[in-house]
Amino acid sequence: EDKVVQSPLSLVVHEGDTVTLNCSYEVTNFRSLLWYKQEKKAPTFLFMLTSSGIEKKSGRLSSILDKKELFSILNITATQTGDSAIYLCAAGLQMNRDDKIIFGKGTRLHILP
Amino acid sequence: DADVTQTPRNRITKTGKRIMLECSQTKGHDRMYWYRQDPGLGLRLIYYSFDVKDINKGEISDGYSVSRQAQAKFSLSLESAIPNQTALYFCATSDPDSPPYGYTFGSGTRLTVV
Repeated sequence: EDKVVQSPLSLVVHEGDTVTLNCSYEVTNFRSLLWYKQEKKAPTFLFMLTSSGIEKKSGRLSSILDKKELFSILNITATQTGDSAIYLCAAGLQMNRDDKIIFGKGTRLHILP
Repeated sequence: DADVTQTPRNRITKTGKRIMLECSQTKGHDRMYWYRQDPGLGLRLIYYSFDVKDINKGEISDGYSVSRQAQAKFSLSLESAIPNQTALYFCATSDPDSPPYGYTFGSGTRLTVV
């Protein structure tokens, strides 16, 4: 059974701290690993990773994929209260023309001022 | 205007009622999806459609049906709503060959069945 597991499920840190969110996956026909940020409603796209060892960065956020060990991490440095959100990891699969995404349960991050 | 629009934004309905959630998109994507989100369970796929004539069940399709009226429109129906269908529902579109490659989500419909 395809699955994506995120850890921790919940995290509370102080503003300015650095956090690392983890995502492991066991899926068939892996295509990509995606990270989303969900604040009040709709998840918004952060990163898509398809190759091992290549870090993607956007401001204080960065992510990397290890396709051998089947995991990805999302780092947030110098956290701000606006980083408080649920962070969703998802594995994109492709089987012939069947293109699906399997989501993890998310990590709820809360940044204290 | 949002790329993916869901209506209504919030809905309260009674057990046994039929309800339709609507989704429209302006991205020109062929692929559309319906997910539900429950606390602690993440996003779970209900139905997905790769074009107007292609409808597929997701992992939790029981109690739901869909209609792909056009490339831009994908509706989700609850034929006879029950309380455990209370959830946040998301519509999404994707085009795997175009940035940002992942999904674009609508703002969600919060459905409460009483």
